[in-house]
Amino acid sequence: AQSVSQHNHHVILSEAASLELGCNYSYGGTVNLFWYVQYPGQHLQLLLKYFSGDPLVKGIKGFEAEFIKSKFSFNLRKPSVQWSDTAEYFCAVRTGTGFQKLVFGTGTRLLVSP
Amino acid sequence: DAGITQSPRHKVTETGTPVTLRCHQTENHRYMYWYRQDPGHGLRLIHYSYGVKDTDKGEVSDGYSVSRSKTEDFLLTLESATSSQTSVYFCAISVSEEGTNTEAFFGQGTRLTVV
Repeated sequence: AQSVSQHNHHVILSEAASLELGCNYSYGGTVNLFWYVQYPGQHLQLLLKYFSGDPLVKGIKGFEAEFIKSKFSFNLRKPSVQWSDTAEYFCAVRTGTGFQKLVFGTGTRLLVSP
Repeated sequence: DAGITQSPRHKVTETGTPVTLRCHQTENHRYMYWYRQDPGHGLRLIHYSYGVKDTDKGEVSDGYSVSRSKTEDFLLTLESATSSQTSVYFCAISVSEEGTNTEAFFGQGTRLTVV
């Protein structure tokens, strides 16, 4: 079964600092990759997704992620974070089996101090 | 929010009582899911459905059952609630048919406390 690892459980940054959150998955076949964000007290919202094509994916709010197939990674980046980026971030993987299932990582809590 | 409504939004129940959570969608999407969210575990799939009366287990299905008698409704039942089922429950839909690609959209969540 596939699994998703997010190695950073808690990240604290100052405003304007750069962000990179790690995501690794274990599955050798075709995958669809996602980053979701959950602001305090809210539901999950999609930040960005990768299905195929350009491995550098741009999402909403200035976030981007790079799919590196050889490293089984899909790291999330933002060049300059804002206080409003304080949230929990989840990486998710869906295998190309035709069943619509997502497997989530355990999440990374980001705190941005003003 | 892709037309997903979860009810109730908050519930406190006693150990041993049955509890049913409802997920309602307005878009007639085929795939629906129930996840639970717990600190340190992220989201874990409980059950999912790929059509009316078509359901299957996820990774943490013990103690839960589901039903889907109509496309728009996906019910999650805790037959006899336990304290370990205290969690936040999210319903999701996948806007897809097999062979096409899209993402899952989530409801607002139900916070369930079992005392």
